[in-house]
Amino acid sequence: AQSVTQPDIHITVSEGASLELRCNYSYGATPYLFWYVQSPGQGLQLLLKYFSGDTLVQGIKGFEAEFKRSQSSFNLRKPSVHWSDAAEYFCAVAPPSGGYQKVTFGTGTKLQVIP
Amino acid sequence: DSGVTQTPKHLITATGQRVTLRCSPRSGDLSVYWYQQSLDQGLQFLIQYYNGEERAKGNILERFSAQQFPDLHSELNLSSLELGDSALYFCASSTSGSSGTDTQYFGPGTRLTVL
Repeated sequence: AQSVTQPDIHITVSEGASLELRCNYSYGATPYLFWYVQSPGQGLQLLLKYFSGDTLVQGIKGFEAEFKRSQSSFNLRKPSVHWSDAAEYFCAVAPPSGGYQKVTFGTGTKLQVIP
Repeated sequence: DSGVTQTPKHLITATGQRVTLRCSPRSGDLSVYWYQQSLDQGLQFLIQYYNGEERAKGNILERFSAQQFPDLHSELNLSSLELGDSALYFCASSTSGSSGTDTQYFGPGTRLTVL
């Protein structure tokens, strides 16, 4: 069965600093991988997704993620964090061609941005 | 604004009662997904409908049911409510039924509190 681990429950960064949120997955083959953001009181918003091809994926709001097969990781990065990035971030995994109904979500990482 | 609407935003009810949550997908989206987000279980997929028909079931209790109407809006019915059903219930929509490569859009959620 697939699984996804977000080892950091909570991260604090200063505004303007770089950000990296970790995500490790467990799946036999190359899965579909997703990052979502959930702002307070809001639903989830898809930041980016990886299906195949280029391992560096560009998303919305200046985020990117890199798929590393050898490390079973799909870490999310942003070069300069803005106060509005404070939110909870979820990594998710699904089997190839499985569709959203087969997505497994991580437990989330809460990002706090300090001035 | 994702284009997915959910009503009501908040719902407070008592144990043993029955409630109905409503979701309208984005214009043109045929798939509707229901998720439950709680502190102890995290984000879990409940059920998916595609163009009026049930497409996939996840961790949905027998006390819960859903349907999708001809106008593509969907309702999630929760009955014999228990304290543990208190959670945020999200609806999401996408164009396809099983791709996973299209983009999934989430509604703002309905917060259910069972007292």
